[in-house]
Amino acid sequence: DTEVTQTPKHLVMGMTNKKSLKCEQHMGHRAMYWYKQKAKKPPELMFVYSYEKLSINESVPSRFSPECPNSSLLNLHLHALQPEDSALYLCASSQGAIADTQYFGPGTRLTVL
Amino acid sequence: QKEVEQNSGPLSVPEGAIASLNCTYSDRGSQSFFWYRQYSGKSPELIMSIYSNGDKEDGRFTAQLNKASQYVSLLIRDSQPSDSATYLCAVVSGSARQLTFGSGTQLTVLP
Repeated sequence: DTEVTQTPKHLVMGMTNKKSLKCEQHMGHRAMYWYKQKAKKPPELMFVYSYEKLSINESVPSRFSPECPNSSLLNLHLHALQPEDSALYLCASSQGAIADTQYFGPGTRLTVL
Repeated sequence: QKEVEQNSGPLSVPEGAIASLNCTYSDRGSQSFFWYRQYSGKSPELIMSIYSNGDKEDGRFTAQLNKASQYVSLLIRDSQPSDSATYLCAVVSGSARQLTFGSGTQLTVLP
């Protein structure tokens, strides 16, 4: 089983809203990732959690706040987003090291009005 | 120079033909190489991973890695219309220690 789940599938929010994206995996993977993907572009890495600790933050604006409550869950808290933040947000997980194969969830399509 | 470069395409092949997708990378210390397929509006799906020089076959797909030339390719035999998608080459570079994607090649298989 290589399933990563993400909720919600779609999210529309205003610039003053606070919302959260959720990601879950039950593969026993110890590394989890958030990516942002704009149309016709490759995924861009935002954050990496390794063994529940934030190991990489790719200079992401503070309006995006990641959280890893346990080894199976990863959240991305959103606050005061801009319309240019509209994108597909992808969660991925891998067994341990970043060199391991990453498996992606279905993504959350975010629209900021 | 981009870290991972792919032919942007689009690439069109007739049904039943071999589709050849190419990727070059700049970091000679890179160790892990992946091909993902992404249908429009969907998330990337792993097709192949390859770590050693040579060929790796899985069904209709063959990945080829040449570390001396810093080149990795994906061959799709007996291409089907359902193979029409964007193919992303991804590399874990030795220095950055993160997965870096190429810009993707859009493949269309014509019935």
